Amino acid sequence: DIQMTQSPTSLSAPVGDRVTITCRASQRISTFLNWYQQKPGKAPKLLIYGASSLQGGVPSRFSGSGSGTDFTLTISSLQPEDFATYFCQQSYQTPYTFGQGTKLEIK
Amino acid sequence: EVQLVESGGGLVQPGGSLRLSCAVSGLTFNNYWMAWVRQAPGKGLEWVGNIMQDGSETYYVGSVKGRFTISRDNAKNSVYLQMNSLRAEDTAVYYCAARGDCYSPGACFFDPWGQGTLVTVSS
Repeated sequence: DIQMTQSPTSLSAPVGDRVTITCRASQRISTFLNWYQQKPGKAPKLLIYGASSLQGGVPSRFSGSGSGTDFTLTISSLQPEDFATYFCQQSYQTPYTFGQGTKLEIK
Repeated sequence: EVQLVESGGGLVQPGGSLRLSCAVSGLTFNNYWMAWVRQAPGKGLEWVGNIMQDGSETYYVGSVKGRFTISRDNAKNSVYLQMNSLRAEDTAVYYCAARGDCYSPGACFFDPWGQGTLVTVSS
């Protein structure tokens, strides 16, 4: 199985900051990498697919990059509604696997 | 408006069975693979399995193989998760989600998702 490792597991930052979350795959996955945002008690929401494509309706302050084994999710200027948990997910092969999550909190 | 609505969760004893349903509206159901993803309380996300558009292929995570079965009824725009021989570690919120074909990275993601249904396995 492909292991997905996110860092950091938690992050505290003020509104307006630029934040980067990284995700590393245990083997090469091309750009079969997706990012989701989850708020407490809610279903995950797709933000980025194919490593760098922005899902419709998602603000442009979110961006993704990477290929192979190393990927990043960047929020260019944190807004109050961005405080949530973020998960990466590989869709290269089954079993599809997720990172352990990065909890983003207000500083 | 696209909606995925799960139902059927609840409390079940270890070794018991439960059948979850997911009713889909607002999208062309038989164009999509359907998936189940679960989340144990306070934990991360775990893909449970997928079913192909016509139901001819299914895939599962190792921990549920032989115990869980995914099926679908395209006439009813619904997907199901039959869970047998349930264990305490199956306790989770179960989400259904749509998935495109994975011939390219550009379509291989889970979206949209239902709101989830809680399954608790306990005596």
